[in-house]
Formats: sequence, C-alpha cells, structure tokens
Amino acid sequence: ETGVTQSPTHLIKTRGQQVTLRCSSQSGHNTVSWYQQALGQGPQFIFQYYREEENGRGNFPPRFSGLQFPNYSSELNVNALELDDSALYLCASSPGTGVLGTDTQYFGPGTRLTVL
Amino acid sequence: AQKVTQAQTEISVVEKEDVTLDCVYETRDTTYYLFWYKQPPSGELVFLIRRNSFDEQNEISGRYSWNFQKSTSSFNFTITASQVVDSAVYFCALSEAATGSARQLTFGSGTQLTVLP
Repeated sequence: ETGVTQSPTHLIKTRGQQVTLRCSSQSGHNTVSWYQQALGQGPQFIFQYYREEENGRGNFPPRFSGLQFPNYSSELNVNALELDDSALYLCASSPGTGVLGTDTQYFGPGTRLTVL
Repeated sequence: AQKVTQAQTEISVVEKEDVTLDCVYETRDTTYYLFWYKQPPSGELVFLIRRNSFDEQNEISGRYSWNFQKSTSSFNFTITASQVVDSAVYFCALSEAATGSARQLTFGSGTQLTVLP
C-alpha cells in the first residue's frame, strides 16, 4: 500500500510569484487536507477536499486555492506569494468514511517552500 | 473554538529515562477525537494514536502509553525507557465531530524531545 506522496520536496520562489504543490493520497482514501507549518509551530489547517469538493477551510486568504481530481489526488495553489508563505506544506489523506471527525489523517513528507 | 496547549516547548532526557509529554485541550463539543503525532527531522508527521471522547481507558503500546482524563481535559503521552530514536517533535491534536464541518485537526505547538545517549 502506497502512502501519501507530495511533490516537489523543496521549492524556492520569489515574492509575487505563483506556486502549485501536488499530493497523491493513500490508496483507498477520498479525503485530502492541506496544512501549513511555519518553522517552530504546529501545522495550521488550510482546507480539505472530499470527493472533489471543498469541505471546509481554515483562516487563509483566497489566494490559497485547491483542487481535487477524480483519482483523489490534490493540488494546492498559492498566488501572489508573500515572504510569510515560507513554510512546510503538509498534505494528509483519510478514508472519508464514517462519522465526521473520526477519520485518522495520514501525512505525506511535505513540501518545503521558501519565498525570497 | 477548539484549542490544544502543549506547555513544554523542549524536553531533554538521558536514554532509558521515562518522559511524559503534556497535552491540555479545549472544546465545546461532547464528541471529539484526540491524536498524537511524531515529527522526526525528516518532517513527515507520523500517526501514533487516536482516542475518542467516550473512551477514557488508558492505552499502552510497547514503550508508549497514553493517559486520557476528561476531568482535567488532558491527554498525556509517556515514553518508558526512552531511546535516542525517540528524539523528535511530538504534536497533540484535536478533531471535533461537528456535523457539516471539515475533519480538521487543531494542533498544539509541539514538544521537542531530545534523548541523549
């Protein structure tokens, strides 16, 4: 069984640019969540996709957007990059079954984004 | 609103010592789920355990044990006979089971555990 994978591993961008991060969910999982983890802090929830629809969003501006594809893989897009967007971006997948809130989220290795 | 507090920013122990990582949470829901994750230097969050709010039984898995106490809103994690490989950042997290909401995790700020040989 393949776990959650993310690409690229590292990325360097300049302020104002746009970036796309990718995530492949674990086999059998239809829910993908994205988190931003600044240095020395806990991950912060960005949004979640369930069966290709956004299923909830954290306190992030609209320039953070996402997509989920029919195979349940997902993209995170960030427009007009700011210096504070420098962080580790983590993707997590979960089975999407049962009562809301019960699923365990399994994380990928993350993408380290540096904005100069 | 939900909140998780890990008051211990850094802990350093010598190998074979026992160590307890504290976690205190806040939630208005009666149904919720608590988690512990381990983040080694590689960055990937590794799932360790999930407990639901209706199950206050303590759990043991090898050298790991967890103490869940609703009365004090705490979910503490103990590593017995610590090893150098246990060195990592440990996160406690909370998920509320509110209908219609995303299954988002709210994380604490983490505890950096260093086990010295």
